Amino acid sequence: QSVLTQPPSVSGAPGQRVTISCTGTGSNIGAGYEVHWYQQYPGTAPKLLIFGNINRPSGVPDRFSGSRSGTSASLAISGLQAEDEADYYCQSFDSSLSRVFGGGTKLTVL
Amino acid sequence: EVQLVESGGGLVKPGGSLRLSCAASGFTFSRYSMNWVRQAPGTGLEWVSFISSSSNYIKYADSVKGRFTISRDNAKNSLYLQINSLRAEDTAVYYCTRESDTSVAFDYWGQGNLVAVSS
Repeated sequence: QSVLTQPPSVSGAPGQRVTISCTGTGSNIGAGYEVHWYQQYPGTAPKLLIFGNINRPSGVPDRFSGSRSGTSASLAISGLQAEDEADYYCQSFDSSLSRVFGGGTKLTVL
Repeated sequence: EVQLVESGGGLVKPGGSLRLSCAASGFTFSRYSMNWVRQAPGTGLEWVSFISSSSNYIKYADSVKGRFTISRDNAKNSLYLQINSLRAEDTAVYYCTRESDTSVAFDYWGQGNLVAVSS
């Protein structure tokens, strides 16, 4: 059972907007620690998608955006494309457990 | 170009040991904290261990504490993970990751190295 809670799956049609939630507690997200997001295709290493809650590394399309409020964070993907079909993970820091991940969300593009 | 290349994985019997290595290039290795992250087959990511740039601060996940030892050699630009008393539940792809210098985000990942524990 992961420290951060994500929905197991989300789906959307091409062109739509989807959001993936990441819920933590007062010892991680709620304590003000930053949330980061990763994208992973099957059989490959994860790739940093969003860092510091809202920032995109160079090369990541602005269709991807992040936000954080209270004990939760969200990843939004607008203008959904077939290539966005992948697994997405949130990650933060926990004052007791150190680095922690969400359980991952599988995004299906219909 | 930042590169992290893991090696040392393989098939090991329960109770056995293994040493994973990660060769870093394309950045000043000694300036960055590093982590190991693993992913069991068909499951999500699990953080395993952290080591600061000068090795003076080390942290482990509870699931591996006492069995795994992280270390680094800045002169050789290398990160290591000594894994002892292996269990079936340690079967996973192990990733070497660089931690960003401005946050605890993992900004670069190795390609992953499979450790399979089976009799």
